[in-house]
Amino acid sequence: NAGVTQTPKFQVLKTGQSMTLQCAQDMNHEYMSWYRQDPGMGLRLIHYSVGAGITDQGEVPNGYNVSRSTTEDFPLRLLSAAPSQTSVYFCASSKEWSSYNEQFFGPGTRLTVL
Amino acid sequence: GNSVTQMEGPVTLSEEAFLTINCTYTATGYPSLFWYVQYPGEGLQLLLKATKADDKGSNKGFEATYRKETTSFHLEKGSVQVSDSAVYFCALSEEGTSYGKLTFGQGTILTVHP
Repeated sequence: NAGVTQTPKFQVLKTGQSMTLQCAQDMNHEYMSWYRQDPGMGLRLIHYSVGAGITDQGEVPNGYNVSRSTTEDFPLRLLSAAPSQTSVYFCASSKEWSSYNEQFFGPGTRLTVL
Repeated sequence: GNSVTQMEGPVTLSEEAFLTINCTYTATGYPSLFWYVQYPGEGLQLLLKATKADDKGSNKGFEATYRKETTSFHLEKGSVQVSDSAVYFCALSEEGTSYGKLTFGQGTILTVHP
């Protein structure tokens, strides 16, 4: 199993550009989510999905879109990049939508918006 | 809302020293508590967890006990190694409408010198 994979590892964008961060998991996990990691703030939830076709907003959803057309993939779209979106982005998945399940994290995408 | 507070870092120790990283939380119900570790250049991985009061989670020599009376989940290790150098995150997840969502502390950087 590859686990949770993310591409790209690094990306530099100009303000106003759009892009998609890819996330895939091969563990047949029901629950997937996106977090952003900023210095001194831990990780904050952007969007999550409890299954194919079902998504919802997390703590900091503005400026991001998601969709979940398959169990395996959960891409994160930046519609019009802003410098405030400079961060490290982590995708995570877990077997079930439950408060006690372990979540598995991808290696992250480091995004810089100029 | 829910929140997690970790001790300020960074923490610098010599090999074989005793480690404590404090974590306290605020939650409205009965959360599950987690410690995640992030090694340099990698994503987060679960270190240990506890799902109810007085449970002790343990892994790789690390331990933490779920103390409901003091709303705490402090991480301890009796003898740290250089390979334990990483960022440690305390997190909680709560039953209810936010199933699966992790609320993270700000992270504590640990550096262990030979």
